[in-house]
Amino acid sequence: EIVLTQSPGTLSLSPGDRATLSCRASQSVSNNHLAWYQQKPGQAPRLLIYGATSRATGIPDRFSGSGSGTDFTLTISRLEPEDFAVYYCQQYGTSRTFGQGTKVEIK
Amino acid sequence: QVLLVESGGGLVKPGGSLRLSCAASGFTFSDYYMSWIRQAPGKGPEWVSYISSSGATTYYADSVKGRFTISRDNARNSLYLQVNSLRAEDTAVFYCVRDGPYCGADCYLDYWGQGTLVTVSS
Repeated sequence: EIVLTQSPGTLSLSPGDRATLSCRASQSVSNNHLAWYQQKPGQAPRLLIYGATSRATGIPDRFSGSGSGTDFTLTISRLEPEDFAVYYCQQYGTSRTFGQGTKVEIK
Repeated sequence: QVLLVESGGGLVKPGGSLRLSCAASGFTFSDYYMSWIRQAPGKGPEWVSYISSSGATTYYADSVKGRFTISRDNARNSLYLQVNSLRAEDTAVFYCVRDGPYCGADCYLDYWGQGTLVTVSS
């Protein structure tokens, strides 16, 4: 099973800051099949990025994904108040596994 | 718009059973693989099971294999999860989720329902 490790566990930032979230896989993710999700309290996760770099429908362009192989990054260029949430990565290159999440909180 | 509405959760004793249901609308249900994902309190999501668009192929996480059964009724635009032999560690919100298009067996998850809570406690 591919294990995904997200870092940091918590990111304390201010609105307008740039956020950089990391997702590292225990082995190479086939075809860069890596997705990112956002989850707010009491809500279901929402798809942000798939295929490592493709934004899902309706996702603002301040969200971008990059990376390949075992190292992937989600970048939020300028944090808006509604972006403070927990973010999960998920690989679907070999079966399907999730990372443990990164919480982006207001500093 | 895509809408997924789960039902059937509740409080059940260890060893008990439930049948979770998901009503889908806003898309051609029979064209998509579907999944159940669960999330224990304070934890990340965990993929539980998926089913192919026709229902011919199913797959389960090791943690639920032999206890949970996924099924679908394409005529009724509905997805189901029969959960048996429940344990305390199965306590979670269960989400009905649509797989992305054109993926096949392993996929990202593009639309999620709001979830139904299953609590296993004596």
